[in-house]
Amino acid sequence: SQTIHQWPATLVQPVGSPLSLECTVEGTSNPNLYWYRQAAGRGLQLLFYSVGIGQISSEVPQNLSASRPQDRQFILSSKKLLLSDSGFYLCASRTGAANVKLFFGSGTQLSVL
Amino acid sequence: AQSVAQPEDQVNVAEGNPLTVKCTYSVSGNPYLFWYVQYPNRGLQFLLKYITGDNLVKGSYGFEAEFNKSQTSFHLKKPSALVSDSALYFCAVRSGNNRLAFGKGNQVVVIP
Repeated sequence: SQTIHQWPATLVQPVGSPLSLECTVEGTSNPNLYWYRQAAGRGLQLLFYSVGIGQISSEVPQNLSASRPQDRQFILSSKKLLLSDSGFYLCASRTGAANVKLFFGSGTQLSVL
Repeated sequence: AQSVAQPEDQVNVAEGNPLTVKCTYSVSGNPYLFWYVQYPNRGLQFLLKYITGDNLVKGSYGFEAEFNKSQTSFHLKKPSALVSDSALYFCAVRSGNNRLAFGKGNQVVVIP
């Protein structure tokens, strides 16, 4: 099965600072990759998904961006963080058209102060 | 677009009692339905899924869920709750594309 690595586990950043969260996948190739955010008291919101290197789809307009420089690497970035960017960020992976199950990383708790 | 409703914010249940976490969905086409669990300070773990076939699906840790097409529901159940089942539970639906829509989650508290 797939293993999703996310780091860091926790991050405290000042408003206006840049952000880079990294996600790497082991145990599969050509995965569909996803970034979700879980805001306090709310459900999971899909931010970005990617079906291949350099292919990014954005689900909601926001202050964040995503990139996929390698097949099993997915990066979430921001040039200037906002307070509203605080939340729990989860990377997820799915492989194969018939495989509907998502594998999740352990998440990054981001606090913007 | 697909959506999921989890009407209760928190479910409290005594240890040993049956546990039910409710989920209704809206989707065009045939739904793929999922339950995920999130333990404190950890990522999400897959519990079970319904794709096709038997409406009663059995999953990890003794959980099961029943797909009810007429009521568009996929409630999660466990006959006898454990304190270790205390966690955040998410229902999710996907239909024919890459997007998985999650509900807002239910906090389950199992009281010893």
